[in-house]
Amino acid sequence: SQTIHQWPATLVQPVGSPLSLECTVEGTSNPNLYWYRQAAGRGLQLLFYSVGIGQISSEVPQNLSASRPQDRQFILSSKKLLLSDSGFYLCAWARGQGADYEQYFGPGTRLTVT
Amino acid sequence: GNSVTQMEGPVTLSEEAFLTINCTYTATGYPSLFWYVQYPGEGLQLLLKATKADDKGSNKGFEATYRKETTSFHLEKGSVQVSDSAVYFCALKGGAAGNKLTFGGGTRVLVKP
Repeated sequence: SQTIHQWPATLVQPVGSPLSLECTVEGTSNPNLYWYRQAAGRGLQLLFYSVGIGQISSEVPQNLSASRPQDRQFILSSKKLLLSDSGFYLCAWARGQGADYEQYFGPGTRLTVT
Repeated sequence: GNSVTQMEGPVTLSEEAFLTINCTYTATGYPSLFWYVQYPGEGLQLLLKATKADDKGSNKGFEATYRKETTSFHLEKGSVQVSDSAVYFCALKGGAAGNKLTFGGGTRVLVKP
């Protein structure tokens, strides 16, 4: 079976510090991978998605970047965090095409920028 | 482009009450439709899906029917429990969006004993 991991689960960082969040998927190969952000009490915002190693599409220009150094690893980074980067960051992977398509989410990382 | 509109919450119910969460969508072609549930502090879980008109998705007592004529995918449960307290998201995949989901804003449901 497939499993998706995210770490850390919780992070408190000062403004201006760097960020690295990691997501890994087990039990599948060549998944589509996604990073979302969820602000407190709000919906989901798609930040990045990737269809393969080194292939990153950015949905919203901002203070963040993403990389996919391995097939099942997806990293979200920032060089200098802003207060507005606080939120719940969710990684997801997808399988299937057309009617078989399904997207599955990790447990999330709660980031607080102080 | 694609869009999903959900009823705003919170929806507060008593245990064993009937739950309906409205979801309507705008999309070209024939999108696939999904409901996800998010329990406090957790990621989203796929609850059910439907991929063509008149399909009914069901899981854990929840149901939703793909209504193309009304572009709707309303979520229903006949008798809710306290453990159903969560945020529910309607989503679609299709059209020009490729392999991405378009989510509604989420509906918070609170079930009281």
